[in-house]
Parts: sequence; C-alpha cells; structure tokens
Amino acid sequence: DTGVSQNPRHKITKRGQNVTFRCDPISEHNRLYWYRQTLGQGPEFLTYFQNEAQLEKSRLLSDRFSAERPKGSFSTLEIQRTEQGDSAMYLCASSLGASGYTFGSGTRLTVV
Amino acid sequence: GENVEQHPSTLSVQEGDSAVIKCTYSDSASNYFPWYKQELGKGPQLIIDIRSNVGEKKDQRIAVTLNKTAKHFSLHITETQPEDSAVYFCAASISNAGNMLTFGGGTRLMVKP
Repeated sequence: DTGVSQNPRHKITKRGQNVTFRCDPISEHNRLYWYRQTLGQGPEFLTYFQNEAQLEKSRLLSDRFSAERPKGSFSTLEIQRTEQGDSAMYLCASSLGASGYTFGSGTRLTVV
Repeated sequence: GENVEQHPSTLSVQEGDSAVIKCTYSDSASNYFPWYKQELGKGPQLIIDIRSNVGEKKDQRIAVTLNKTAKHFSLHITETQPEDSAVYFCAASISNAGNMLTFGGGTRLMVKP
C-alpha cells in the first residue's frame, strides 16, 4: 500500500456540469476526510467518515456536494451543477483512529 | 469554532540558519497540533505533531513547542537546507471528537543556498 490515492489528478469542467472524485485510503485506516484548498490558503474541512458512516459535515458542504464511503473502503465526492467558486484542490486524507493524517495528492478542479 | 492564525506568511532564510513559524489557536479544548509541509503539486505531508500533555517534541532538525496557557505553538527548523523550502501549515483539533483539523493560513519558507 503506497498511500492515499486520488483520481483524477486534474479535472476541467464546464459550469453546471456534475463531477465525481475518488479517494482510495490506506487500507487499514478507518477514518477518511475530505478537505478543500484554494490557492494560497490552508485546507478547509468538508466531511469525515469513520468506516462507512459519515459523522461530520462542514457548513461549506452545500446541498450540491455529496460524499459516500460504501463498505468503509474508497470514497467518492460528487459536486452537482458546478460553479466557478468550486474551483479548488480537493484533498482526501485517511487515518487510523486519532493518529496523524496521511493526505493524498489531491484533485485539482477547474470550472470554466 | 476553532480559529488558527499563523505567522509569518513568508519567511526567507539563508541555508544553515534557523527558521521559526508561530501559530495561535482560539479553542482551549484543542489538544492535537500537527505541522504539515506542502510542496508544489502535492498534498500536505505530516512532519511533526504534538499533543497537549507535552510541552515540546523534537525530531532531528525539527522541534515543536506548545504553550497551552497562551494558546500558541511554534515550529523550529534548525540548520535549514534548500530542500526545506516549501509551504508549512500548522493545524489544531480535538482529537477525541473526530480529529477534524483547522489549518492556519500557511508560511512559505524559502531557504537560499
């Protein structure tokens, strides 16, 4: 297991389209987190899963955003009806309990 | 909610010198304070962390100090090398409540050879 894997690395989409990102965490990690990072800023928390249960969602996660983690393994983050303000780096991280996170390399979304 | 302030936003040092980055946090319930290094095009990488029952932690050239009373913590890098050049982020969380991190705004460290 080589770490947290995110796909795709880059996504360019037209405003109004739906996009889906995938995260494969480190296999033994039970917690999975999604963060969003805009240029020049620190990552901002979006949502987190413990196993398959989504336990926390930020107010940043509007109704257009949905995340799933079926069977407690990989996770997907979907953004419906994308807006230019959704352009950002979407980071996934995983951890075993309350230990330190391992982040993936992120998916950079550009909405044109 | 938690608010984390980080200073300075940019820091330029000569190779071999020390670098210090400082953060303050607002929520006294926070008990876990990691530091991340982010290189261009990559995700943040955990470099060191400290929990609230410890005042200082060291790992080779990197050390972190925590003052819970004043609600601030600092990253110290000694004998800086050009490969230390990156953006550094501090963060804070309540580790037994989901461990969702609140990040500072980042410090761009440039080490000049």
